[in-house]
Amino acid sequence: SAVISQKPSRDICQRGTSLTIQCQVDSQVTMMFWYRQQPGQSLTLIATANQGSEATYESGFVIDKFPISRPNLTFSTLTVSNMSPEDSSIYLCSVELTGGGETQYFGPGTRLLVL
Amino acid sequence: SQQGEEDPQALSIQEGENATMNCSYKTSINNLQWYRQNSGRGLVHLILIRSNEREKHSGRLRVTLDTSKKSSSLLITASRAADTASYFCATGGSNYKLTFGKGTLLTVNP
Repeated sequence: SAVISQKPSRDICQRGTSLTIQCQVDSQVTMMFWYRQQPGQSLTLIATANQGSEATYESGFVIDKFPISRPNLTFSTLTVSNMSPEDSSIYLCSVELTGGGETQYFGPGTRLLVL
Repeated sequence: SQQGEEDPQALSIQEGENATMNCSYKTSINNLQWYRQNSGRGLVHLILIRSNEREKHSGRLRVTLDTSKKSSSLLITASRAADTASYFCATGGSNYKLTFGKGTLLTVNP
């Protein structure tokens, strides 16, 4: 298993600003993911954070809006840029240890409210 | 797009009763997983069942998988108030990604 922490746990931001969310894992992992969970909804994959290369984004998500860094095998950041109230969501990072679409371990999430 | 569809969307039961949640999916899978989420926090992995398995148990949890019907069920026996949470199924396919269903909100009343 893996222990994952996220910072901040929650934030209230003003429209037009940006927020960077950090994800730290207690061991080196290959696969790290970022998800968005809009209020009352399920999880939607934003991107796969690749170490040493650009993140792989899912349809509907772009790098300009959600830039991701992955400087090493234990850490990643997701920035939500030029925020609007529609970005109010829980943002979760997760890791997968085997690289084969198996169990993912999730961080506690970052609850973001944009006013 | 969402792969899984859980039903019911919400379920309310009394402590001690059993809770059954269902999940349907559309494409071929390598495995199907169930996760629990308490009050909008992080997800906790409950159980994984592979495509060549039909049933799996873990404590009070029982999961079935019917690949011919592209469906799975999660049974929680002798429910407790602490089981109150949202439950999500997620399918793992030929790539490394998981696709999550919409979830079932389970409320267990003491």
